Amino acid sequence: DIVMTQSPDSLAVSLGERATINCRSSQNILYNSNNKNYLAWYQQKPGQPPKLLIYWASTRESGVPDRFSGSASGTDFTLTINSLQAEDVAVYYCQQYYSTPYTFGQGTKLQIK
Amino acid sequence: QVQLQESGPGLVKPSETLSLTCTVSGGSISSYFWSWIRQPPGKGLEWIGYIYYSGSTNYNPSLESRVSISVDRSKNQFSLKLSTVTAADTAVYYCARELPGVTPNHFDSWGQGTLVTVSS
Repeated sequence: DIVMTQSPDSLAVSLGERATINCRSSQNILYNSNNKNYLAWYQQKPGQPPKLLIYWASTRESGVPDRFSGSASGTDFTLTINSLQAEDVAVYYCQQYYSTPYTFGQGTKLQIK
Repeated sequence: QVQLQESGPGLVKPSETLSLTCTVSGGSISSYFWSWIRQPPGKGLEWIGYIYYSGSTNYNPSLESRVSISVDRSKNQFSLKLSTVTAADTAVYYCARELPGVTPNHFDSWGQGTLVTVSS
């Protein structure tokens, strides 16, 4: 199985500041044939299902604010939230869909400082 | 806008079989992969398995011996059966849609989830 490791486990950021969440895969999740990283980011608020934010490591889902962005470097992935808003308080998960079993990171809890 | 809704018993006795159904509305079940994912209280997400609309399946090896996923295209539903449950199977169970493609894809739609508690 591909292990996804997120850091940090929790994070407190002031309103209007930038939040950075990291995710590392235990092996390559880049398909050479299409040069895509098979990595998604989800946001989960209490009592709600996960919501897709980013796929292919850096493609923003329709309707997601542009303060959310994703990037990749090898097996390291980053979710950046610029100008943090109160409604961004949530747990964020990365997920690889390169191969089954699909696996998720353990989650990063984002709070307001 | 497709919507997914899980349904089934919220309480299952140890050693019995957990059965859930996901009803898809606002779109066809055809041409997509449909997954079950679970989340124990306060913990992370675990992919259980998926079924393609044609009926082919792929299960997480950690659960494969106890899992069965089926599809009913006439009702636009797919179902999960998990046998011989224990307290460790207590979780919120989500159904989710995976976009079709030549290669795997992300989950673009999720149900609201249903809590299943395993207890006598």
